[in-house]
Amino acid sequence: DVKVTQSSRYLVKRTGEKVFLECVQDMDHENMFWYRQDPGLGLRLIYFSYDVKMKEKGDIPEGYSVSREKKERFSLILESASTNQTSMYLCATLPGWQGVYEQYFGPGTRLTVT
Amino acid sequence: GDSVTQMEGPVTLSEEAFLTINCTYTATGYPSLFWYVQYPGEGLQLLLKATKADDKGSNKGFEATYRKETTSFHLEKGSVQVSDSAVYFCALNGNRDDKIIFGKGTRLHILP
Repeated sequence: DVKVTQSSRYLVKRTGEKVFLECVQDMDHENMFWYRQDPGLGLRLIYFSYDVKMKEKGDIPEGYSVSREKKERFSLILESASTNQTSMYLCATLPGWQGVYEQYFGPGTRLTVT
Repeated sequence: GDSVTQMEGPVTLSEEAFLTINCTYTATGYPSLFWYVQYPGEGLQLLLKATKADDKGSNKGFEATYRKETTSFHLEKGSVQVSDSAVYFCALNGNRDDKIIFGKGTRLHILP
């Protein structure tokens, strides 16, 4: 079974702090994604990566950056956390872009910025 | 661009009721279609999928048929259980090197 793990289930940070969210997968998938999930807005794509050191902006990249130094690890960075970044953050992987493949999601990190 | 529209929730049903959650899409080409489920406190997991027109995906008593003529992929279950209470997401993969499109999710409450 594919396993996608996220470093924390719950996180509380203060405004202005630099925040790192880590995602690790164990199935050698090429593509990795970061989403945020908010009530009434569904899932919104922040960034994705299709290879080591490669990244693409999603729909809402402002205030975020990412790092993919190794294939299995994809990090989301909040350079200076703000209260409007309080949300559930979900990491996902995708083996390939052909439609037969589905995404695999981690359990999520609920981040609160105070 | 591609898009997915699904019925807004919350949807509240009694146990053993029939469930339909509507999903329609717009896409160029021949997308693949998915339903994901998110149980409380968890990430999303695949419920079922269909990769071409007229395919029927099924799992755990849920079914959805890929209807190209109506651009729809409605989720159905004949008799829901309390354990089906969750958020359901319809999604589309356009079979390009591009992002996957999700609907906004439908929250389902099943009452005993």
